[in-house]
Amino acid sequence: DAGVTQSPTHLIKTRGQQVTLRCSPISGHKSVSWYQQVLGQGPQFIFQYYEKEERGRGNFPDRFSARQFPNYSSELNVNALLLGDSALYLCASSFFGQGQETQYFGPGTRLLVL
Amino acid sequence: AQKVTQAQTEISVVEKEDVTLDCVYETRDTTYYLFWYKQPPSGELVFLIRRNSFDEQNEISGRYSWNFQKSTSSFNFTITASQVVDSAVYFCALSEAQGNAGNMLTFGGGTRLMVKP
Repeated sequence: DAGVTQSPTHLIKTRGQQVTLRCSPISGHKSVSWYQQVLGQGPQFIFQYYEKEERGRGNFPDRFSARQFPNYSSELNVNALLLGDSALYLCASSFFGQGQETQYFGPGTRLLVL
Repeated sequence: AQKVTQAQTEISVVEKEDVTLDCVYETRDTTYYLFWYKQPPSGELVFLIRRNSFDEQNEISGRYSWNFQKSTSSFNFTITASQVVDSAVYFCALSEAQGNAGNMLTFGGGTRLMVKP
């Protein structure tokens, strides 16, 4: 079975632009979470979605938004990009998005903001 | 608030040496879940183990073993007879949420392990 997939793998944008990242969860998983990993640090939680509803949000500005589609795939949008948004964006999926579940991660999207 | 600390930022060993990666956590919840993930240079986080707060039994999987001690809030990871393929960044993570309250993971800063031939 396919794991979590993310697209694109790499992206280069300039300050002020907008970006959309995409994620497809493992088949059967209904929850998707997004994490930002700045170079040299651990991943930071951005959003969690379950059944198209936002279930959790980390300490990120309103420039970050996300949504989940009926097929459980998800998009992360970042507006008005800043240099500090350069990072690896990781998507993770689990069955029901509950604390006791293991989250499985995709390969990530590397975003560089110039 | 929950917090995970991995004090060792970088460890270098020679192949076949044993190595222990430390993880200390903070949480107010009595029920929580601890995880270890491996991140090779490709970037993808690979799941290694999950432990719940009620299960303090140590676990062994091949060359990997985990020591969970609630008394010291630690969940350490040992690799026996390390190999070059073990070179990666290892993350310890904590999830407090139960039921439908979500499953946000709080990660430590990671430990970069370099195994030299």
